[in-house]
Amino acid sequence: QVQLLESGGGVVQPGTSLRLSCAASGFTFSNFGMHWVRQAPGKGLEWLSTIWYDGSKKFYADSVKGRFSVSRDNSENTMSLEMNSLRPDDTAMYYCARDPSLEWLPDVWGQGILVTVSS
Amino acid sequence: QSALTQPASVSGSPGQSITISCTGTRSDVGGFNFVSWYQQHPGKAPKLMIFDVTYRPSGISSRFSGSKSGNTASLTIAGLQAEDEADYYCSSYRNSSSLGVFGTGTTVTVL
Repeated sequence: QVQLLESGGGVVQPGTSLRLSCAASGFTFSNFGMHWVRQAPGKGLEWLSTIWYDGSKKFYADSVKGRFSVSRDNSENTMSLEMNSLRPDDTAMYYCARDPSLEWLPDVWGQGILVTVSS
Repeated sequence: QSALTQPASVSGSPGQSITISCTGTRSDVGGFNFVSWYQQHPGKAPKLMIFDVTYRPSGISSRFSGSKSGNTASLTIAGLQAEDEADYYCSSYRNSSSLGVFGTGTTVTVL
């Protein structure tokens, strides 16, 4: 069945870096755009980044532009989020989601991975 | 990059209908038919309930319906059931430096 599985989360200190991964299975990964969305504890959903199906276009929210970088490997069915200069307000559950469109349709989501930024 | 505006909470009795609004601008909700709605139970990932304003994914109950008028989209849940108690988020394509935006979220309580 269609599945997305995030990994790489954990507890890190402010100012450090972390790399999240999203492993896809059960569908043709190279046909889908992919998103990263986060949710701070007790808060709402926040879109972070999108990468097109072929990796040719990438988009970032202002809150992470210049600090986070998205990439994908269609041969390995994986997407990554490189997060630098982490701050306490980056503490959240991070979700990856796939998108069959070129506009906006996150349809299937992973279970999420927790990132905690704390000294 | 401001979020779409939703009421913080909506409640109803079993069997009743409720409607959740989602207000944006001409740069997002009002300008495109790329509005989707998500249901999120505590500790779970969001689940797609409505896409492209009015369409239901396979397996989603027909009790859930979506609509849009101007800059405001709406999700209606008919025949409210206990299992519908959850948080609901709208989202939309946004024509700006960002790509997508979510609503502030609405907690639905079944009385």
